Amino acid sequence: SQQGEEDPQALSIQEGENATMNCSYKTSINNLQWYRQNSGRGLVHLILIRSNEREKHSGRLRVTLDTSKKSSSLLITASRAADTASYFCATDAERGGNKLTFGTGTQLKVEL
Amino acid sequence: EAQVTQNPRYLITVTGKKLTVTCSQNMNHEYMSWYRQDPGLGLRQIYYSMNVEVTDKGDVPEGYKVSRKEKRNFPLILESPSPNQTSLYFCASSFGVVYEQYFGPGTRLTVT
Repeated sequence: SQQGEEDPQALSIQEGENATMNCSYKTSINNLQWYRQNSGRGLVHLILIRSNEREKHSGRLRVTLDTSKKSSSLLITASRAADTASYFCATDAERGGNKLTFGTGTQLKVEL
Repeated sequence: EAQVTQNPRYLITVTGKKLTVTCSQNMNHEYMSWYRQDPGLGLRQIYYSMNVEVTDKGDVPEGYKVSRKEKRNFPLILESPSPNQTSLYFCASSFGVVYEQYFGPGTRLTVT
């Protein structure tokens, strides 16, 4: 079964607004990563947060991790049309060996 | 330039005709993996490799084979492709599952 599930499946906002995506997972993890994918292309790494961290920032990105709720959120502030893409979380489970499990993704559309 | 390359990028084939998708990385990464991406299902890991001659099953290994004879290469083999293997395939590499994954550009496979 899938480790990560993103919510919402799709999100449409206006340029300049903030976009928040959530990821929930089922078992204890070592790390959680967020990736971005532009239409049918390879994924690009955005940020990694370790299980002992609660929040991390990178430019306009802010990621939080709540291990008690088994969830993470990705906030993109002051969104731009160029942020239009699909966003995926990925987890490596504490007892999952060396497997990396991706969620189903959130499709973000930022309109001018 | 650091990169992961895949070939071919597009492939249309018929049921039962053996095929190989190549993957190569120039970053001296130990960890390599293959994913398939299907609408609504996100990315699912097929196989991964921790190092030369060390491979293991991901979440959807049925119908696929891999080999890791050299550190830089990790080919994906479909010995008898079937239509349900029609998908977008990605190869990725990194220093380990807990690190940023570098993705190839993808191979779009259609099996008729």
